[in-house]
Amino acid sequence: GQNIDQPTEMTATEGAIVQINCTYQTSGFNGLFWYQQHAGEAPTFLSYNVLDGLEEKGRFSSFLSRSKGYSYLLLKELQMKDSASYLCAVRPLGGYNKLIFGAGTRLAVHP
Amino acid sequence: KAGVTQTPRYLIKTRGQQVTLSCSPISGHRSVSWYQQTPGQGLQFLFEYFSETQRNKGNFPGRFSGRQFSNSRSEMNVSTLELGDSALYLCASTPGLSGNNEQFFGPGTRLTVL
Repeated sequence: GQNIDQPTEMTATEGAIVQINCTYQTSGFNGLFWYQQHAGEAPTFLSYNVLDGLEEKGRFSSFLSRSKGYSYLLLKELQMKDSASYLCAVRPLGGYNKLIFGAGTRLAVHP
Repeated sequence: KAGVTQTPRYLIKTRGQQVTLSCSPISGHRSVSWYQQTPGQGLQFLFEYFSETQRNKGNFPGRFSGRQFSNSRSEMNVSTLELGDSALYLCASTPGLSGNNEQFFGPGTRLTVL
């Protein structure tokens, strides 16, 4: 089965950098996803990693180490609008589009 | 391109009733997945439909069922509602081909069971 862990809450200051970690244990793995979800809204896709390394997309980057079962999402130049929940999700092998989500990390950005 | 739409957006039912929720994927997308989101359990996968066939199922009781129509629109049904079924039900669509990685979520249907 899959087990995904990420911190429950984090706080950061506007303009700073924050790293949200995600560890997973899985019997089969076919990619790791990060989603952003603002309160009362649907999750929106941020990034996808299937190979080890860093994927950069503007202010957001995501890193994956398959051997360590570890990923992080890096948010740079934080803005107030980045206050949201960040969800780490694993796609199991053979699961087609099934995603197993972590509980999410609630990020609060302060001025 | 229009996004994923879900109807209704809000629903209030009582225990024992049944409910049907609808999801229209992005035009051209053939895969629709359903998720339940609650404060306690987070986002949990219910099932996925592709070309009118269920090709994956989560760990939910048989009271939860779904189907997909030839136009890719999908419905999910919950029978004999329980208080614990109160949740936000989200559907997500993708083109459905392997290698397509981004799932687009709809705004969800918030179901309250009294």
